[in-house]
Amino acid sequence: ETGVTQTPRHLVMGMTNKKSLKCEQHLGHNAMYWYKQSAKKPLELMFVYNFKEQTENNSVPSRFSPECPNSSHLFLHLHTLQPEDSALYLCASSQEPRAVDEQYFGPGTRLTVT
Amino acid sequence: GQQLNQSPQSMFIQEGEDVSMNCTSSSIFNTWLWYKQDPGEGPVLLIALYKAGELTSNGRLTAQFGITRKDSFLNISASIPSDVGIYFCALIQGAQKLVFGQGTRLTINP
Repeated sequence: ETGVTQTPRHLVMGMTNKKSLKCEQHLGHNAMYWYKQSAKKPLELMFVYNFKEQTENNSVPSRFSPECPNSSHLFLHLHTLQPEDSALYLCASSQEPRAVDEQYFGPGTRLTVT
Repeated sequence: GQQLNQSPQSMFIQEGEDVSMNCTSSSIFNTWLWYKQDPGEGPVLLIALYKAGELTSNGRLTAQFGITRKDSFLNISASIPSDVGIYFCALIQGAQKLVFGQGTRLTINP
């Protein structure tokens, strides 16, 4: 238990579906992150939020829409995804964005797009 | 963007053997991080290195920050079954971005 939880743990969706991934951290951190982990590729940073404000978008397609209503919760809204979007989506948090070496990761959501 | 070359991609060893893996970058960086990811979990930080030449241990794990600041290695001594997983090196790029290597998948035969 790292203090970062993600739901659901597994998700199968069609290309026309709309779904959301949820992340919650119980560490009192101010920064939250979304990463994508594809098979045979390195973890890729997608988004960074600091105090609910997005501070980094790593050229992510608009079919991925993040939302950070408060510093404890982070969502990733998904719509019209492609099969190549199938991956493990990891959430992380840290005290502040500059404390990237002190990130705590959640267990991830395994997404399969059919 | 910055790329890390991590090798080997996979290792199959016998329990009790020592393990060594390394990462190289094309640019100089100030921090090297090593993570482990267990099946069904997110990465967990094992060791952080902040100074060229730094050698740091965490139990049976030892990591070093290369003198050239372009490489790092991680050694695991006397491997045990719970060492199984994927090991990642990572660098800090800019102010708030982690860049990860491709990972080394460690499998241990009892």
